[in-house]
Amino acid sequence: KQEVTQIPAALSVPEGENLVLNCSFTDSAIYNLQWFRQDPGKGLTSLLLIQSSQREQTSGRLNASLDKSSGRSTLYIAASQPGDSATYLCALRRTTDSWGKLQFGAGTQVVVTP
Amino acid sequence: EAGVAQSPRYKIIEKRQSVAFWCNPISGHATLYWYQQILGQGPKLLIQFQNNGVVDDSQLPKDRFSAERLKGVDSTLKIQPAKLEDSAVYLCASSFNPGSPGEQYFGPGTRLTVT
Repeated sequence: KQEVTQIPAALSVPEGENLVLNCSFTDSAIYNLQWFRQDPGKGLTSLLLIQSSQREQTSGRLNASLDKSSGRSTLYIAASQPGDSATYLCALRRTTDSWGKLQFGAGTQVVVTP
Repeated sequence: EAGVAQSPRYKIIEKRQSVAFWCNPISGHATLYWYQQILGQGPKLLIQFQNNGVVDDSQLPKDRFSAERLKGVDSTLKIQPAKLEDSAVYLCASSFNPGSPGEQYFGPGTRLTVT
């Protein structure tokens, strides 16, 4: 059974510091891995998607890496801002699932203090 | 384009009562998902529709939960009777093609509190 773990559960950093969020999984047979952002009272917003054949994806201040052999993905947020405060979730799709089902981690709640 | 719409946004009921949630996906999206997100956990898929057919309901508690997607457009998720442990946010998502990665769009969710 695939397990998706995100540590730490919560993180507080001062503005300007770089953020490093971790996601680990037990089964390397993944199709892709996504990072989402969730704001209170709102749905999920997709940030980055990494295909299983890729090592990383970048968008602006965000960079996500994927290492299937070690079962880990990392989301880096450079020069954090108070507006980055949110919960960040990783979700993966397994190669055995043809219908696009996502399996989520529990998320890391991030607070960026001014 | 308009996003995924859900209603109501909040609902408070007593245990053993029934409740229904509504979702209208993005126009043209064939696949619709219902997720349950309990506080402090990630979303868990309850049921997935492809057009008006169910393709995955393996984690749906069928003794109390039901869902339908008539005409392959909007969908309703019902709980009857509700239990305290059903308190959660219910998220609806849609995608144009389940085979296309990264195309699940999420609605704002319905927060259910069962007292």
